[in-house]
Formats: sequence, structure tokens, C-alpha cells
Amino acid sequence: SQTIHQWPATLVQPVGSPLSLECTVEGTSNPNLYWYRQAAGRGLQLLFYSVGIGQISSEVPQNLSASRPQDRQFILSSKKLLLSDSGFYLCAWRASGSHEQYFGPGTRLTVT
Amino acid sequence: AQSVTQLGSHVSVSEGALVLLRCNYSSSVPPYLFWYVQYPNQGLQLLLKYTSAATLVKGINGFEAEFKKSETSFHLTKPSAHMSDAAEYFCAVSEGAASKLTFGTGTRLQVTL
Repeated sequence: SQTIHQWPATLVQPVGSPLSLECTVEGTSNPNLYWYRQAAGRGLQLLFYSVGIGQISSEVPQNLSASRPQDRQFILSSKKLLLSDSGFYLCAWRASGSHEQYFGPGTRLTVT
Repeated sequence: AQSVTQLGSHVSVSEGALVLLRCNYSSSVPPYLFWYVQYPNQGLQLLLKYTSAATLVKGINGFEAEFKKSETSFHLTKPSAHMSDAAEYFCAVSEGAASKLTFGTGTRLQVTL
């Protein structure tokens, strides 16, 4: 069966520090991968998605970037965090040919 | 662009009572629709999906939803609420070749004794 992992589970970082969040999927090949942010009062917002290695589409101009160095690995990064980057970051995967997405456990990021 | 509207940010029901969470969508093409549940500090769990097969869709934990094209609705129901159903519920529509999800703002379900 397929599983999706995210780490770290929680993170507290000062303003201006770098960020790296990791997402990995097991038990499937060539998944479509997605990063969402859930911020208080703003619902769930799609940040990036990837249909393959090295292929990244950005949905919202922002202080973040994403990379997909391996088929089942998706990384969310920032060079300098802003207070507004605080939120709950969710990674999701989708099998090619299907429409439903499956979510990871999330990372709670607090920027202080 | 597609959109989803969830009526009622908070719904409170008694244990054993009917649960009805409302979702209306806007789409120019036949939609793929989903309901997800989120417990505090956890990711989203897929409850059920509509992908143009049967209009009445059964999901996990006794939930079901009915797709009504004439009303552009996809309401979530459960005949008898349980305390463990207390959570936030999100309706979503899938868009485009990348199947990007657009979510509603969520409905927090409270279940009381």
C-alpha cells in the first residue's frame, strides 16, 4: 500500500532563516505531487505541484520554492522566512490516471 | 475557474442525529468532487469521491453524498452522528489535467451528548 511521509512534524524558525520541508511517498511510481498551505482564516491554498522529476509548477507568487530531485521526493524551501509563511503545510500525492489526492500528516511551521 | 461554497462554517448536532453538511460547486465541465475530513493537527483524509459514475456515493465511516447536477450540489450526510465524527470537513473540486484541488472554506462539525 502507499504511504506518504512529511518531516519535520513541527518547526519553529526565526524570521530570515532558511526552510526545508520534505515529503516522500512510498509504494507508487511517478506520482503527481502537491504542496498546500493551510493558514488560519485562509483555508487550503495550493502552492506547487509536480508531474515528474524536475517539473515544478508554481500557483502563487511567494517567498517559497519547490524541488523534486527524485521521483517520490518533494521538497519545499525558502531562503529567508517571513512571518506570513507561518502555517500548516500539507503534501499530497495523486496516481496518474486518477483524480483523488492523498495527504500526508503535515508540518506545522511557526515563524517568530 | 471552478469554485466550491460550503454553507455554514460551524454545524452542531446531537449524538445520534442526522448530519448534513452542504457543498455547492461551480464548474463549466463535469466535475470531480471530493469530501475530506481533518482532525486537529492532522492531514486530510479522503471520505468519498464523485467521478461521474453513480450519483449517490458512499464513503468511509458511514458517510455518503449525492451529486445533484441541477442544483450544483454535493451535500454530505450521515444518518446518525457519533462523537468521533467531530472534525472539520472540506469539500473540493478537481480542476484541469493536473487535477488541482480547489477547496471550500470548511465546516467544523461539533457533536454533543
